[in-house]
Amino acid sequence: AQSVTQLDSQVPVFEEAPVELRCNYSSSVSVYLFWYVQYPNQGLQLLLKYLSGSTLVESINGFEAEFNKSQTSFHLRKPSVHISDTAEYFCAVSPFSGGYQKVTFGTGTKLQVIP
Amino acid sequence: GAVVSQHPSRVICKSGTSVKIECRSLDFQATTMFWYRQFPKQSLMLMATSNEGSKATYEQGVEKDKFLINHASLTLSTLTVTSAHPEDSSFYICSAILADPVHEQYFGPGTRLTVT
Repeated sequence: AQSVTQLDSQVPVFEEAPVELRCNYSSSVSVYLFWYVQYPNQGLQLLLKYLSGSTLVESINGFEAEFNKSQTSFHLRKPSVHISDTAEYFCAVSPFSGGYQKVTFGTGTKLQVIP
Repeated sequence: GAVVSQHPSRVICKSGTSVKIECRSLDFQATTMFWYRQFPKQSLMLMATSNEGSKATYEQGVEKDKFLINHASLTLSTLTVTSAHPEDSSFYICSAILADPVHEQYFGPGTRLTVT
């Protein structure tokens, strides 16, 4: 079984400041890792994912996340946030497998960007 | 990218009535869709896995007779909340996976159900 921990339920940050949203996971097998973003009253959108290869993955809107196997972490970072980044962010994992496996989500972190 | 739609986006119904929520994959065929429920300030809870042409697989604790799932075609899955009660009020989200890459889910925009 897998579990995902997002310790910060809310993160307020001023516009143009850097931000890090923390994610730690637990699993007895290798996993795929994901970050999803949810805007108010909308479904989830995939922000970025780690499958294999380079441990640093980037999204098209300036976010990046680094897979750290030894610390079982996949923290999400952005060097300079915008008002439009205000949303809830979910970290998720699924077991590495040839077929589909269930995704386990964290409890989410609300990023509030302050003008 | 793959697009998943849900209808309706919001619905209000009276206690005791049933309501149907549709989930459609618009530009791809989805043999497998998922239904989630999201409570305020909580993460997504997987309710069931919907497989085209076969019975849905429900997660532990989810009443299959209350939450009826039908996956009649490769592009449509429906969730019917039967005899709705106020405690069924929630945000329901569906998702679908492509055959490749099989690990990636595409989510619908969600349906806000309010039972009065």
